[in-house]
Amino acid sequence: EVQLVESGGGLVKPGGSLRLSCAASGFTFSSYSMNWVRQAPGKGLEWVSSITSSSYIYYADSVKGRFTISRDNAKNSLYLQMNSLRAEDTAVYYCALCMLGTCYYYMDVWGKGTTVTVSS
Amino acid sequence: QSALTQPASVSGSPGQSITISCTGTSSDVGGYNYVSWYQQHPGKAPKLMIYDVSNRPSGVSNRFSGSKSGNTASLTISGLQAEDEADYYCSSYTSSSTLGVFGAGTKVTVL
Repeated sequence: EVQLVESGGGLVKPGGSLRLSCAASGFTFSSYSMNWVRQAPGKGLEWVSSITSSSYIYYADSVKGRFTISRDNAKNSLYLQMNSLRAEDTAVYYCALCMLGTCYYYMDVWGKGTTVTVSS
Repeated sequence: QSALTQPASVSGSPGQSITISCTGTSSDVGGYNYVSWYQQHPGKAPKLMIYDVSNRPSGVSNRFSGSKSGNTASLTISGLQAEDEADYYCSSYTSSSTLGVFGAGTKVTVL
């Protein structure tokens, strides 16, 4: 069974740092692009960052320069290092990927999410 | 402000059909057949319902269908059921970003 499990969320002060992890299982992790998508409380979805199987990396403008996505294929894990956190980064962060069809900008497998709260 | 415009809410009675619109520009919805739709129940992760405008993943009810005309994509739910009550988000490739964009979401209420 394909599974994604996020961890690492929590309460952090503005300006602080946090590292999210996503443990993948049930598929050949190294072969797929991986994504982070977030959802602020009561708000819609926002694509945060993507990393391809060849480690090409993309970021939303809202996190560029502050967040770093990475992957460890040996550990079947995806990471999101979040620095200089702001109140507006408060959200549920989902790990997600596409395993179906063309995989052009959509995701059919999602984790349950981990909650990040940035507050003093 | 989201790049894609969706109505905040749509409602219908059981058995009826409803349509959710998703309006963009020629740089996203209108220019490419890369529109997808997600269903999200409260406290749950999004679920892919439609991809590439009108394709349905295995396991998704055929009561859900997608289409596109010009810069507007649509999700139609036919034979509305209580379990369809959820938030629905459209998403699209956009030439103005290296990542996809989402709409702000539409809350579907089954009366």
